[in-house]
Amino acid sequence: GQNIDQPTEMTATEGAIVQINCTYQTSGFNGLFWYQQHAGEAPTFLSYNVLDGLEEKGRFSSFLSRSKGYSYLLLKELQMKDSASYLCAVRESGNNRLAFGKGNQVVVIP
Amino acid sequence: GAVVSQHPSWVICKSGTSVKIECRSLDFQATTMFWYRQFPKQSLMLMATSNEGSKATYEQGVEKDKFLINHASLTLSTLTVTSAHPEDSSFYICSASWGTSYEQYFGPGTRLTVT
Repeated sequence: GQNIDQPTEMTATEGAIVQINCTYQTSGFNGLFWYQQHAGEAPTFLSYNVLDGLEEKGRFSSFLSRSKGYSYLLLKELQMKDSASYLCAVRESGNNRLAFGKGNQVVVIP
Repeated sequence: GAVVSQHPSWVICKSGTSVKIECRSLDFQATTMFWYRQFPKQSLMLMATSNEGSKATYEQGVEKDKFLINHASLTLSTLTVTSAHPEDSSFYICSASWGTSYEQYFGPGTRLTVT
């Protein structure tokens, strides 16, 4: 089984940097995803980590430590449109199933 | 990029009726489709995994006779909520992937309200 934990909500100022954490416990790990979800919409893919380290993609970076069961998503130069829920999801080994965390709601204020 | 559509985008039905939701991969062949349910302010919960031409695999606690899944072709999967009740009101999202690709492409979701 899998257990994925994310903090629930944070507020940040436009232009700032915010870090969203995700810890997980799984019997078989085969990658971790970060998704962005605006209210009432489907998730959109942000990043994928399967090896330890930092993956950078524009204003978004994602880090993974498999030994610690830990990942974070870093959002830089926050924009108002970044106000959304950010979900981490762990992929099980042996299949393509994803287990999602509860998501972290980020509210960007001027 | 890969596009997945869902129809309808929202539906209101009366308690006791059945509702069918379609999930289509528009520009790729989806060997696997997934159905999720999301209640307000909660995460996506996987309901079932559907492989083309075979029976769906349901997650623990999901009634297969209530949530009928058909994956008849490589571009279409349907979810039918039978004898819907108000507690089935939720946001239903499908996703699709192909082969051993790690990525799942999500549809826009279907908002179901049962009155």
